[in-house]
Amino acid sequence: ETGVTQSPTHLIKTRGQQVTLRCSSQSGHNTVSWYQQALGQGPQFIFQYYREEENGRGNFPPRFSGLQFPNYSSELNVNALELDDSALYLCASSSVRRGTDTQYFGPGTRLTVL
Amino acid sequence: QQQVKQSPQSLIVQKGGISIINCAYENTAFDYFPWYQQFPGKGPALLIAIRPDVSEKKEGRFTISFNKSAKQFSLHIMDSQPGDSATYFCAASVQAGTALIFGKGTTLSVSS
Repeated sequence: ETGVTQSPTHLIKTRGQQVTLRCSSQSGHNTVSWYQQALGQGPQFIFQYYREEENGRGNFPPRFSGLQFPNYSSELNVNALELDDSALYLCASSSVRRGTDTQYFGPGTRLTVL
Repeated sequence: QQQVKQSPQSLIVQKGGISIINCAYENTAFDYFPWYQQFPGKGPALLIAIRPDVSEKKEGRFTISFNKSAKQFSLHIMDSQPGDSATYFCAASVQAGTALIFGKGTTLSVSS
């Protein structure tokens, strides 16, 4: 069983640019959640996707958007980057179908906005 | 999002000692309370989780104590080892598998 993978590992962007982060869910998982973790803080929920539809959203502006694909992989897109967007972006997968609720996290993508 | 308050921010424990981390929550709709462990450069990994219908859950050296009336829960690490040195996060959600609300984390250092 493969774990959650994320790409890229690190990314440097400038203010105003757009970025796309990618996540491959753990084998057999159909739900993907995205979290933002600022330095020294706990992860903050951005949104969740289940069967290719958004299934809950945290307190993040619309310039944070996402997609889930038929193979359950997912993308997080952030437009008009701001300095405060610098953070570790974590993807977590889980499986409603299996009746397990554990969210398994990937290693994250470190985004730096200059 | 309702807050989950975690304390202490940092903790230093001697090898073999007991590490205790506390969390408090406000939203009585929370129904699932996991603890995650995070090492530098890694994503959080689930340690142990509890639901409010039980007051304690033990897995190896890790125990969650849960006090529903006080809206508090805690993680106890028995016989703490240097390999336990990491950041620990408590979290809560209204339903398992949905949005996790995390505490700010506790950095644990176990000295040998």
